[in-house]
Amino acid sequence: SQQGEEDPQALSIQEGENATMNCSYKTSINNLQWYRQNSGRGLVHLILIRSNEREKHSGRLRVTLDTSKKSSSLLITASRAADTASYFCATRGSSSNTGKLIFGQGTTLQVKP
Amino acid sequence: GAGVSQSPRYKVAKRGQDVALRCDPISGHVSLFWYQQALGQGPEFLTYFQNEAQLDKSGLPSDRFFAERPEGSVSTLKIQRTQQEDSAVYLCASSLAGQGGEQFFGPGTRLTVL
Repeated sequence: SQQGEEDPQALSIQEGENATMNCSYKTSINNLQWYRQNSGRGLVHLILIRSNEREKHSGRLRVTLDTSKKSSSLLITASRAADTASYFCATRGSSSNTGKLIFGQGTTLQVKP
Repeated sequence: GAGVSQSPRYKVAKRGQDVALRCDPISGHVSLFWYQQALGQGPEFLTYFQNEAQLDKSGLPSDRFFAERPEGSVSTLKIQRTQQEDSAVYLCASSLAGQGGEQFFGPGTRLTVL
């Protein structure tokens, strides 16, 4: 069973607006990662934040992590039509010695031109 | 190629048939993972290899699922006596580091069992 829960399940915005997606998880983690998946294609790694980090930036992406609340958020600023995709958070448990990832159910983002 | 490749990209099987799905990881990547992604869901872990050793197979849903990586590079996921609930996209990922690093995913194999 999947560990993470994401909200919203679906999000529709206009180009240029910001998009915020949230992720919650259940157990202690080593790191949390965000991935993007375009329709019918594989996942692309976006950003990784470690359990001792609170915020991280990469281009138009901003990720926050609150380990006390077991939650994370992904903010995409100045969205573009090309950002239309599904976004998944994935956690690597602190007790895991294999590096396997536990994914959330994902947020489907539609950016209208 | 530079990325993870999988074949076939699409597979249609009749219920009860055996299927074999192939993954070519990025050259030199020690770790290899298989995930199953049902429609509208996030990927779920199936199994993990470090080189040729299968260190974690806790996610395999039944003994009909079998994976191997005999030479520590190419991996094959085999599903015996396929059932309709096996219909999903099967994703392979590889990573350079043994634990916790970025995983590079292939495009997946979409399996449809009729």
